[in-house]
Amino acid sequence: AQKITQTQPGMFVQEKEAVTLDCTYDTSDPSYGLFWYKQPSSGEMIFLIYQGSYDQQNATEGRYSLNFQKARKSANLVISASQLGDSAMYFCAMREGRGNAGNMLTFGGGTRLMVKP
Amino acid sequence: DTGVSQDPRHKITKRGQNVTFRCDPISEHNRLYWYRQTLGQGPEFLTYFQNEAQLEKSRLLSDRFSAERPKGSFSTLEIQRTEQGDSAMYLCASSSWTDTGELFFGEGSRLTVL
Repeated sequence: AQKITQTQPGMFVQEKEAVTLDCTYDTSDPSYGLFWYKQPSSGEMIFLIYQGSYDQQNATEGRYSLNFQKARKSANLVISASQLGDSAMYFCAMREGRGNAGNMLTFGGGTRLMVKP
Repeated sequence: DTGVSQDPRHKITKRGQNVTFRCDPISEHNRLYWYRQTLGQGPEFLTYFQNEAQLEKSRLLSDRFSAERPKGSFSTLEIQRTEQGDSAMYLCASSSWTDTGELFFGEGSRLTVL
C-alpha cells in the first residue's frame, strides 16, 4: 500500500486565491512527522511546513497552513493568496518514528500547481 | 553560500562506467541523506549518515552503489557499472539534530546513462 498518496497530479489556481493540495498517509506508528516540500523547475526541494503526530494545533508558516486530520490520516496543504511564484511541484512526505532516529522521508508522487495570472 | 552543494550538477556517462557524486552539507549539520528522484516521481530514500556512521540503507541501494562520509563532513555516492535504469536526479540533504529537523536539499546531480 502507498504510504503517501497525493491524488491531484495537477491543479490550476487563480492568482490571489487560496488552494488546497491533498495528502493522505498510511502508518501504524503512533509517532510520525509530516512535511511539505516545494520543488520549482530549478529542481531544488524547498521545505515549507512540518506537522508532528502529537501536535495539537495545525501548523502554519506564513501563507502556508497544514490541515491535519489525524483520524482521517490526511495532511492537506493550504496556500493562501496564491502568487505566480507558487507555480511548482509540491510533495507531501512522512517520517515514521521519532525524528531523533533520523528523518528518512517517504514522499508522495507530487502535485503540480499552476497559478494563473 | 552556506547551503547544501552537490557536484557535478550533470553527468552523462556510458553504460558500464563508474560515476561518483559529491555532497557538501551545511557545515553544522551532522545528518546527511541521499535520495534518488526519477522524472515525474517523488524522491526515494537511499541512505542516511549520522556523522561518519552510515545508519540506514534502503533496499534500493544495490551492491553497485556505495556511499561514504569519511570525516563526518562531505559525502560521496559512487555507482559502479552504471545501467540505464540508474538515470535519475541524485539529491543530497542535510539536517540538524532535532526531532522536527527539516531536510535542506541541494540542487541535485542529474545522471544520464547512455
